[in-house]
Amino acid sequence: DAGVIQSPRHEVTEMGQEVTLRCKPISGHDYLFWYRQTMMRGLELLIYFNNNVPIDDSGMPEDRFSAKMPNASFSTLKIQPSEPRDSAVYFCASSPDPYNEQFFGPGTRLTVL
Amino acid sequence: DAKTTQPNSMESNEEEPVHLPCNHSTISGTDYIHWYRQLPSQGPEYVIHGLTSNVNNRMASLAIAEDRKSSTLILHRATLRDAAVYYCILRDVNSGGSNYKLTFGKGTLLTVNP
Repeated sequence: DAGVIQSPRHEVTEMGQEVTLRCKPISGHDYLFWYRQTMMRGLELLIYFNNNVPIDDSGMPEDRFSAKMPNASFSTLKIQPSEPRDSAVYFCASSPDPYNEQFFGPGTRLTVL
Repeated sequence: DAKTTQPNSMESNEEEPVHLPCNHSTISGTDYIHWYRQLPSQGPEYVIHGLTSNVNNRMASLAIAEDRKSSTLILHRATLRDAAVYYCILRDVNSGGSNYKLTFGKGTLLTVNP
């Protein structure tokens, strides 16, 4: 298996633009997690899905952020409109069950100018 | 949530053992101890986890104190590739959905000298 795939790897955009980050989890994994990493706040969970259904979105910072999982092999995290403070590395992770290890993707480095 | 305390940084020499400590004095009986590491410019990766007994795998060993208030991740022979931030995380398997997430602290930055 190729592991968790994220695209793009790098994204530079201007304030106010819409940004869409994409994730393909490992096949057969029922849990998908979106994390954000910044120097100030470290790694923090934004939202997670179980069988394509959002379970806990309490970490989503505000309404500008939204996440979807239309099928078992694809998820998106959208920021609209983007702001400079959204600049961070966004990681997607998947897991076959909730208590064992999570497999992380390589991340998307987002820069909002 | 039970919290963990780790040193901010540690140094080691290549091919020597490394002992990374973690204190978790408020650990509950159902908390598993997980370790992840994050290499530079990569996503975190799972290292090992345990509940009460010491655990070994191909990457490392986990030594858990008898009272479970502390644990130590042991890298038997550090290599340059082991330079990373190591995170000690507690996960309560009986807390349902709230603990499906991993709560990362600041971790320990391990530097390996050639």
